[in-house]
Amino acid sequence: NAGVTQTPKFQVLKTGQSMTLQCAQDMNHNSMYWYRQDPGMGLRLIYYSASEGTTDKGEVPNGYNVSRLNKREFSLRLESAAPSQTSVYFCASSEGSWDSTYEQYFGPGTRLTVT
Amino acid sequence: GQQVMQIPQYQHVQEGEDFTTYCNSSTTLSNIQWYKQRPGGHPVFLIQLVKSGEVKKQKRLTFQFGEAKKNSSLHITATQTTDVGTYFCAGPSRGFQKLVFGTGTRLLVSP
Repeated sequence: NAGVTQTPKFQVLKTGQSMTLQCAQDMNHNSMYWYRQDPGMGLRLIYYSASEGTTDKGEVPNGYNVSRLNKREFSLRLESAAPSQTSVYFCASSEGSWDSTYEQYFGPGTRLTVT
Repeated sequence: GQQVMQIPQYQHVQEGEDFTTYCNSSTTLSNIQWYKQRPGGHPVFLIQLVKSGEVKKQKRLTFQFGEAKKNSSLHITATQTTDVGTYFCAGPSRGFQKLVFGTGTRLLVSP
């Protein structure tokens, strides 16, 4: 039982390059999330998927796209990376329901630098 | 939009001293969660509070949810070096499936 896994762990991009961050969970959770964390700051929600087949914008969606590939996998794509997207990216999952809040389980993170 | 603020932003204590972080929401919360993030690590869930005025304890950690359900606190008694990290509170936004995380309190404990 690996929990939430993310690949890659580290990535350096040049401005304008694209890449996809991968996330998978093996807990049969309904909901999945992508956050970014900038130095000394809290977690800001980029996109989330409340259930398989749905995705919604979070607080800071500009410059990103997501795909909920199936119940297990939720990917984050940067189409044209910018230095402002230098950050640590965390994927998380939770049981998710319409009438209750569940704890979120986080992956180990991807440390992305855009030069 | 909904905002969740925490104070202090940073605290440095000597091992054995107590520590408290406070969390304040701009809106009433149906529940509040607390997470801990060790340096270089990822956030890990600690606890969830649901009822107005609720108090829960985990060993040396005491969590409290305010009567108005707009604030919460985490108190650590007799800190240890293993308590080092950043503590975040988080409350649901727009229903129950999204969380808004607080700004976090970074705790440093010197031996």
